[in-house]
Amino acid sequence: SQKIEQNSEALNIQEGKTATLTCNYTNYSPAYLQWYRQDPGRGPVFLLLIRENEKEKRKERLKVTFDTTLKQSLFHITASQPADSATYLCAFFRGGHGSSNTGKLIFGQGTTLQVKP
Amino acid sequence: EPEVTQTPSHQVTQMGQEVILRCVPISNHLYFYWYRQILGQKVEFLVSFYNNEISEKSEIFDDQFSVERPDGSNFTLKIRSTKLEDSAMYFCASLGGGEQYFGPGTRLTVT
Repeated sequence: SQKIEQNSEALNIQEGKTATLTCNYTNYSPAYLQWYRQDPGRGPVFLLLIRENEKEKRKERLKVTFDTTLKQSLFHITASQPADSATYLCAFFRGGHGSSNTGKLIFGQGTTLQVKP
Repeated sequence: EPEVTQTPSHQVTQMGQEVILRCVPISNHLYFYWYRQILGQKVEFLVSFYNNEISEKSEIFDDQFSVERPDGSNFTLKIRSTKLEDSAMYFCASLGGGEQYFGPGTRLTVT
């Protein structure tokens, strides 16, 4: 079955440093990967999407890479701030079969980032 | 900015009772989803809904679960006879522009 794995250990870094989170997947070749932020007791919030033909995508202080050979995506937050502290989820969208099948998101377990001032 | 809303934010129910979780997706979206997250675990897909019918459902979504779009705005998830293991956060999502927008969730506690 398709699996998507993230480092379950929390990542603690100092404010101003770059945080790098890893997402690995197996038994699937997603057309694109998505990254979400989740705060405690809240729903996931979409951050970035990267397609299989894109090596890198940037949005403000965020950068995502996608290596289809390694089956891995890296998520970077540069100049991290305490407000970036949250759980970050990697997900791929598994399209369904047939025109009416909307597909679904398959999530990793998330990596909790703690940025210390 | 439009957003997905969910009610209630927290529901406590006794085992065996029926619950209905409500969602109002973003108004021009056509594809709707329910996901759940047991405390400390992954967000898991339950069901997708399009054109007034279920498009896909997971193994979790057994006969105790049902979804409905009773009018032009609401999207509901019903659990007929709740079990202790149904305790989780339930998230509604709607799809627009290739992006799934999630609601804030309903925390369901079954005692």
